Parts: sequence; structure tokens; C-alpha cells
Amino acid sequence: GNSVTQMEGPVTLSEEAFLTINCTYTATGYPSLFWYVQYPGEGLQLLLKATKADDKGSNKGFEATYRKETTSFHLEKGSVQVSDSAVYFCALSDRSNNNDMRFGAGTRLTVKP
Amino acid sequence: IAGITQAPTSQILAAGRRMTLRCTQDMRHNAMYWYRQDLGLGLRLIHYSNTAGTTGKGEVPDGYSVSRANTDDFPLTLASAVPSQTSVYFCASSEERGPTDTQYFGPGTRLTVL
Repeated sequence: GNSVTQMEGPVTLSEEAFLTINCTYTATGYPSLFWYVQYPGEGLQLLLKATKADDKGSNKGFEATYRKETTSFHLEKGSVQVSDSAVYFCALSDRSNNNDMRFGAGTRLTVKP
Repeated sequence: IAGITQAPTSQILAAGRRMTLRCTQDMRHNAMYWYRQDLGLGLRLIHYSNTAGTTGKGEVPDGYSVSRANTDDFPLTLASAVPSQTSVYFCASSEERGPTDTQYFGPGTRLTVL
């Protein structure tokens, strides 16, 4: 079945550091890939997405490229801010799995001033 | 625009009691979802609805039921709560239930079953 594996957290960085959160997936079909972010006390909200191979999703300085050859969708940001502290979820959705969204376990990021 | 509202915000419930979690959206989205969020497991789909009048089972449907009488409301019912249903529950919606559709989430309901 479809699944998503994220790097385990928590991740703690200093402000302006470079961020990478690894995400790999297993899918029987040709999935769409997403990164959602959950700020403290809130629901999830879409950060970015990519729907086909080699697409790059970007938003708020975050980027992720859909790599079919490595089944990966790693999240990167060049310079993190304290306000980026949150839990980040990688997810996929695939027609072959009834379009059900499958989420990774989440990675908690804390950015210190 | 409120988006998605959920009620209650939190609840402590005795095992064996019946509980309904409420979810309302004002975006006129066709598809709606219920997830539970557990530490280390991410979000898991409980039930979904493609459109008003239809529902379907997700990954972890046992012990839960839903109904979709109209476009806006999608309540989740625990008929007889058990401690393993202690979790944070999120309602979500999307325009359609397709592989590229973005889902919009409510603020969540924290449920504790004792």
C-alpha cells in the first residue's frame, strides 16, 4: 500500500540556518505530493504541493522537488525564522489508493533566536 | 470567512458514553474528511464523504460513524467510546476528492476517554 516516511524529529535549529526535512514515499500509482504545516494549537494547512515528476512546489521560502527516480519530496528552506517553528507533515494522494491522503508521522521543528 | 469550525474544542468522556463531534464548513466544498492524529503516527483517515448524501470508510473506521445530510455539516459519532479513541480529531474539506485537491483543516477537537 501507499506510505510516507519522514525523518524523525525533533529538529532544533538556530535562526537563519538551512533546513532540510527528508521525505520518501511508496506508492502503487502516480501520486501527488504535499507538505502541510501545523502551527501550535492549530489545524494543518497546506505549505506546498507538486503533482508530477520534476515539479517544484514553493511557498514562504520553502521548496520541495518531486523526484520520481528517488521517490522523494524533501522540504528545504535556506534561512529559517523563529516563526517557522511548527510540525511539518509530508503526504501523498493517489488514484490507485482511492485518492486517500496518507500522511507521514510529522517532524517537529524548533527554531531558536 | 470562517472556513471549518469544529466543536467542542476539547472533551473528557467516560468510557462507554456516546459522543458526537461536530464539523461545519462554509466553503461549499463537496468533499469532507475526518482524521485522528496520534503522536508518532501522523494523521489517519477515519471516514470521508465525496458529496452530500454519500460516505465512505477510511483507514481506521471501526468504532466511528458519520453522516452527510447536507453540504456544510459532517458529524462524527462514537457510539460507545473506548480509551483507545483518545486522540485529537481533525475535520477537513476539499473542493473535490481528487488526488491533487488541497484539503483545508479545522482547528481540531481534543478527546480524552477515561
